Order: sequence, then structure tokens, then C-alpha cells
Amino acid sequence: DQQVKQNSPSLSVQEGRISILNCDYTNSMFDYFLWYKKYPAEGPTFLISISSIKDKNEDGRFTVFLNKSAKHLSLHIVPSQPGDSAVYFCAASAWETSGSRLTFGEGTQLTVNP
Amino acid sequence: KAGVTQTPRYLIKTRGQQVTLSCSPISGHRSVSWYQQTPGQGLQFLFEYFSETQRNKGNFPGRFSGRQFSNSRSEMNVSTLELGDSALYLCASSFGYGGLKYNEQFFGPGTRLTVL
Repeated sequence: DQQVKQNSPSLSVQEGRISILNCDYTNSMFDYFLWYKKYPAEGPTFLISISSIKDKNEDGRFTVFLNKSAKHLSLHIVPSQPGDSAVYFCAASAWETSGSRLTFGEGTQLTVNP
Repeated sequence: KAGVTQTPRYLIKTRGQQVTLSCSPISGHRSVSWYQQTPGQGLQFLFEYFSETQRNKGNFPGRFSGRQFSNSRSEMNVSTLELGDSALYLCASSFGYGGLKYNEQFFGPGTRLTVL
């Protein structure tokens, strides 16, 4: 049972344009959502997070949107840069019931073309 | 501040053997979580240790076990290795208390295990 899904395995964007990565979840107990970025041969690096009591969180070029009714979140990167090329993982947590345990999506390979 | 370190970085074993992987968390962090990454299953939670106690466990067979020492360093062990255990094993550390909002998990580079 895949509780967190990223339906796009890959996304290609031109430098300077917006990248939009999507994530859907099924478990209504999830109350915290995170995005991680991963380069080959490295561990995931935390990018940005959002609590279920918010619908938007912004940090520089990165913005995460949460639509609780649709159980959907998205990561916007504006403007996209070639250095953003990596695999992006969406993750979710239910702190009260599962503590630090993160449930990850399958990842989306983002390629930003110069 | 040193990051999360994992040793060894690469391991090759044969079916039936056992293996022990090590993780040193960031200084001051008391929680260590382990994840398995495979191409087919993505990143799957194995277990979490906090203050030397297993606090959370994923859906893996009993061949996968772990422990945490008083200095928060953690080891995971896989016994009777199977071909399907070939994966990248990632360790993540955090403070472990106060709610997830205050507990960004920092990942190590992983140990690449190949079972032949």
C-alpha cells in the first residue's frame, strides 16, 4: 500500500522556468510533509516542509503548497537552475502516532536544461 | 559540525552471510532512523532508535535488527542475506523529541550493500 505517491518519475524544465513537482497521499493521519533532494551517491537533503495546519510555506526559490482536502502537495521551484537537477522525494509523517518515521514517495527526477 | 557518517560505504556479501552497518549521528542528536532504498520499492523505513530503545519499526522481517549505544551511535544487522537485500541503506539522525517540526532529519551518504 503506497501511502505517498509521486506519479511523475521524471520532469524536464528549461532554466529560468518554474518546476512543479507533485505528490499525493492517502493517510489522513499524516500531519507533516517534507521535500528532500537527492544527488547520486549522497543521502537525501532536506529542502522544505509544511505542517498540516498551513497551506503554503515559502523559502527562497522553493514553495510548498498543501491541499488537505485533495490530499495533495506540490513543490514549486522558481526560477529553476541547472544545479536543481536531482531526484526529489516527497515524505510524510504522523508524529503523534509514528514519531520520526517518514513515509517517502518514489521520487521524481528533475532535469533543468541550460 | 560533522554530519551523519556511515561505514562502510560499500559492501559485497554472498547469500546466507550476515552484515553489520554502522551510523554515527550528528553530535547532540539522540534519534537514529534507518531506511532501505531500492529501485523497486523506493525509500522504506526500517526502524528508529531513541536513547538506546527501539521506538518505531517498519515492515521488515526479523532478519533486520538494530541497536543503539549510549553515545547514540547505531548499528543495523542483517542476517541470512538474500539477493533482495541488495540496496542502499540510509541512516538519518535528529534530536528526536519536541515534534517533527523541530526534528529535521539529516541523512548520511548511505552504505551500498550488494548481495551476490
